[in-house]
Amino acid sequence: KQEVTQIPAALSVPEGENLVLNCSFTDSAIYNLQWFRQDPGKGLTSLLLIQSSQREQTSGRLNASLDKSSGRSTLYIAASQPGDSATYLCAVWGQGAQKLVFGQGTRLTINP
Amino acid sequence: DAGVIQSPRHEVTEMGQEVTLRCKPISGHDYLFWYRQTMMRGLELLIYFNNNVPIDDSGMPEDRFSAKMPNASFSTLKIQPSEPRDSAVYFCASSRHSGVETQYFGPGTRLLVL
Repeated sequence: KQEVTQIPAALSVPEGENLVLNCSFTDSAIYNLQWFRQDPGKGLTSLLLIQSSQREQTSGRLNASLDKSSGRSTLYIAASQPGDSATYLCAVWGQGAQKLVFGQGTRLTINP
Repeated sequence: DAGVIQSPRHEVTEMGQEVTLRCKPISGHDYLFWYRQTMMRGLELLIYFNNNVPIDDSGMPEDRFSAKMPNASFSTLKIQPSEPRDSAVYFCASSRHSGVETQYFGPGTRLLVL
């Protein structure tokens, strides 16, 4: 059974810092890994999708990497801003049970 | 496009009552997903449809839960009878042609069962 873990559960950093969020998964047989953002009381917004054959994806100040063999992904946020404050969720779509399995998320706070 | 639309946004009901949640996916999307989010269990897939046909309902917690998709633009998730432990946020999401593509989430329905 696929399990997805995100560490830390919460992170607070001052504005302007570069930061890394971590995601690990137990079964490397995946089609893709996705990073989402969730603002309080809102739905999820897709940030980046990395196919299993890819090593990274970039969108603006965000860069996501994937190391399938070790079961790890990182989301790098450059020059953080208060507007980046949200919960970030990682999810994998497995080749076995074909569905998205989510981590518990990292609650990020950027302090002005 | 208006995105995925869910109604109601908030629902408060008493234990034993029937609850119906509604979802309109993005036009042209073939896949529709129902998720439940709680503090304890996080975000869990309940069921998903491809071209209105249920594909995987292994996440549906018990017989009190049922989901239908009578056409490409409408789906319902019904709980009958509701229990306090069903209190959660229920999300609907859709994707274009494949389950492995980006999923677009609705704003969710916040359900409280007293």
